[in-house]
Amino acid sequence: TQLLEQSPQFLSIQEGENLTVYCNSSSVFSSLQWYRQEPGEGPVLLVTVVTGGEVKKLKRLTFQFGDARKDSSLHITAAQPGDTGLYLCAGGKNYGQNFVFGPGTRLSVLP
Amino acid sequence: DSGVTQTPKHLITATGQRVTLRCSPRSGDLSVYWYQQSLDQGLQFLIHYYNGEERAKGNILERFSAQQFPDLHSELNLSSLELGDSALYFCASSLTGTSGRNEQFFGPGTRLTVL
Repeated sequence: TQLLEQSPQFLSIQEGENLTVYCNSSSVFSSLQWYRQEPGEGPVLLVTVVTGGEVKKLKRLTFQFGDARKDSSLHITAAQPGDTGLYLCAGGKNYGQNFVFGPGTRLSVLP
Repeated sequence: DSGVTQTPKHLITATGQRVTLRCSPRSGDLSVYWYQQSLDQGLQFLIHYYNGEERAKGNILERFSAQQFPDLHSELNLSSLELGDSALYFCASSLTGTSGRNEQFFGPGTRLTVL
């Protein structure tokens, strides 16, 4: 049983389109992180959100943490081929418990 | 470049063998985490060390073991290897052991192929 679910599993879009991917759980997390991973490489941390309702922007990427701290979304505006990759969310709980990773959303942005 | 290094990059070995994967954390980080990533299982947490001590275990098999040395580098030992152990193995490091709000930085991984 996945503690974190991500949707959609796969997404293929044209350059310039907007998209949103989701990370959902029935558990409450003290923080949630988003990573992007390219084939054969390690995940790269994009953002950490810690407060319910928090919104963070990173250029064309907008991250939101749900009010109840059980879910999060990542919105990309005007996607570019360089955004292609596997987007992973990871939920962290308090001291003594480790991060749980979702299965990821594999995004392909076509030129 | 995350500052986390892993060696070797690739490893090909046979069933029944034993291998050691090495990880050096970012300068100043005290925690090291090991993960296994395979196509059908996603990123699975194996084990966490903080300043030389084991902090948490995840889905780590009894054939696998790890340790963190005084200089904070870590090694993951995989023994009696099976075909199903073929995967990418990642090491990540973070500043402290308080994982609830701690940011992890990943190394480039070791690709293990068991033939």
